[in-house]
Amino acid sequence: DGGITQSPKYLFRKEGQNVTLSCEQNLNHDAMYWYRQDPGQGLRLIYYSQIVNDFQKGDIAEGYSVSREKKESFPLTVTSAQKNPTAFYLCASSLRGGHANEQFFGPGTRLTVL
Amino acid sequence: AQSVTQLGSHVSVSEGALVLLRCNYSSSVPPYLFWYVQYPNQGLQLLLKYTSAATLVKGINGFEAEFKKSETSFHLTKPSAHMSDAAEYFCAVIVNTGGFKTIFGAGTRLFVKA
Repeated sequence: DGGITQSPKYLFRKEGQNVTLSCEQNLNHDAMYWYRQDPGQGLRLIYYSQIVNDFQKGDIAEGYSVSREKKESFPLTVTSAQKNPTAFYLCASSLRGGHANEQFFGPGTRLTVL
Repeated sequence: AQSVTQLGSHVSVSEGALVLLRCNYSSSVPPYLFWYVQYPNQGLQLLLKYTSAATLVKGINGFEAEFKKSETSFHLTKPSAHMSDAAEYFCAVIVNTGGFKTIFGAGTRLFVKA
């Protein structure tokens, strides 16, 4: 079955630690995205990548970093510089970046900072 | 600036009643419009999309939405609510600002009473 997987589903982190969230897709999509979801605020775009080895900052990139070394993988690192990292993180992909394609979402990772 | 407004962060209906979730957009050019559904602790799933082929769009699970350019609206409806429809619903618009960008509304949580 084609789809997007995110791991882990739940993640706990101590303050001051970096943590990496995994996102893998086997849909052969060019574009991938990371969103942060907080109650009552909808989805906010952190980073996106339209093609391998290229990515751009979204609306709230500060304190986050990404890489796109393979087409199917787009990991997100939440660094200690992110002041309020506790949130639900969603990864998505679409067929082509820069086009009017719908996005396909993974199941999400809930990050809690202790 | 392009935006999406969902009227009502919470909507409650009785089982069997009409579901109406409101979405208005601001765009200077014809947009691509989407409705997504999110069940608790899961990713988003596409319900339906408007891409200018027809103003009345039918989606999954008995939902439909009508694009009204004069009202800049894309409201989501379902004739008869089912308990399984309880979820959060997001309206989204793709606009071309020198590259296509997806903007999500803040979401409307639908409660269905027995």
